[in-house]
Amino acid sequence: AQSVAQPEDQVNVAEGNPLTVKCTYSVSGNPYLFWYVQYPNRGLQFLLKYITGDNLVKGSYGFEAEFNKSQTSFHLKKPSALVSDSALYFCAVRDDNYGQNFVFGPGTRLSVLP
Amino acid sequence: GAGVSQTPSNKVTEKGKYVELRCDPISGHTALYWYRQSLGQGPEFLIYFQGTGAADDSGLPNDRFFAVRPEGSVSTLKIQRTERGDSAVYLCASSLSFIDSPLHFGNGTRLTVT
Repeated sequence: AQSVAQPEDQVNVAEGNPLTVKCTYSVSGNPYLFWYVQYPNRGLQFLLKYITGDNLVKGSYGFEAEFNKSQTSFHLKKPSALVSDSALYFCAVRDDNYGQNFVFGPGTRLSVLP
Repeated sequence: GAGVSQTPSNKVTEKGKYVELRCDPISGHTALYWYRQSLGQGPEFLIYFQGTGAADDSGLPNDRFFAVRPEGSVSTLKIQRTERGDSAVYLCASSLSFIDSPLHFGNGTRLTVT
């Protein structure tokens, strides 16, 4: 079965600095990887996905993520953080051996300090 | 409204009562998912529909939980004999039926069992 780990509960960065939110995964088939963001009292919003092809994918709000097959990682990045990026971030994986189910990580709370 | 709609946004009920949570997906999305999110945790899969049928209900915690989608659009999650441990935010999401299609989430229903 597929699984997702987000090793950091909390990430703090200063505004204007680069940010990284880490994600590692485990699947038996091919991974389909997704990042979502959740603001208070809201549902999750899709940021970006990796399906195949270029290992660096770009998404909404200036976010990007790098797929690394050998390290089974899919870290979320942004070159210059904004205070408004402060939110809860979730990594999710879908394993093509297990049909349509998405498995989510436990989440990482990002705080961008002014 | 073009997004996923969930009603009610908040539900408070007494232990032992029956509740129904409603989800109205994005028009044209044949796949519909229910997740449960407890405070500080990632979404936990409950059930997935493809059209009218439950394609995967392996996440339902016990037989007090049941979900239907009779016409392949609106879905209702039903919980019988509610327990305090059922308190959580129940998230609904819909998507197209391609493996690389992201989930689109509603804002959730916050269920509190007193």
